[in-house]
Amino acid sequence: ILNVEQSPQSLHVQEGDSTNFTCSFPSSNFYALHWYRWETAKSPEALFVMTLNGDEKKKGRISATLNTKEGYSYLYIKGSQPEDSATYLCAFCGTGNQFYFGTGTSLTVIP
Amino acid sequence: IAGITQAPTSQILAAGRRMTLRCTQDMRHNAMYWYRQDLGLGLRLIHYSNTAGTTGKGEVPDGYSVSRANTDDFPLTLASAVPSQTSVYFCASSALGGTEAFFGQGTRLTVV
Repeated sequence: ILNVEQSPQSLHVQEGDSTNFTCSFPSSNFYALHWYRWETAKSPEALFVMTLNGDEKKKGRISATLNTKEGYSYLYIKGSQPEDSATYLCAFCGTGNQFYFGTGTSLTVIP
Repeated sequence: IAGITQAPTSQILAAGRRMTLRCTQDMRHNAMYWYRQDLGLGLRLIHYSNTAGTTGKGEVPDGYSVSRANTDDFPLTLASAVPSQTSVYFCASSALGGTEAFFGQGTRLTVV
């Protein structure tokens, strides 16, 4: 069983705070690392797909970095807003093209 | 654009009964996946298929079977449902090469 771990499990921040989450994954047989945003009663939607060591991706106030050699990725949210409240999932994609998900970080932004 | 569609949306099933969850995509993606979502355990991969005619086992395949007769459809069958299979099931698809996965809306299954 492939081990993809996310921390923290949950997070409560005040509106305007910046925050970050961690995803750790196996450094062998790596193909891609994905971040998804999952709102309650909806389906997960992709935020970022990263494939190269050192990759940095940005979308608005959200950004992500990737270190494939040590097997971790960070997701950053700058100036959190209530609409950022969701569960953030990372997924490891190995060379077999299967996606293995972490258990997610549940973010609540308090107005 | 429909994307990926699952049916039914929800189902209550008696233990021991057979059930097939349907999944259809119109994006011509080669790869399709079935996940189950359980509290505290996130999304766990049940079965996957990288192309029509081939399937593979994921993390939790026991009690489930799949088939991939064509590119668009990837049904998941519970041959004899048990209460531990109560869960929300998500189907997903992607192009090959580690590209993003697109998810269906989920099927909430309760086995009683």
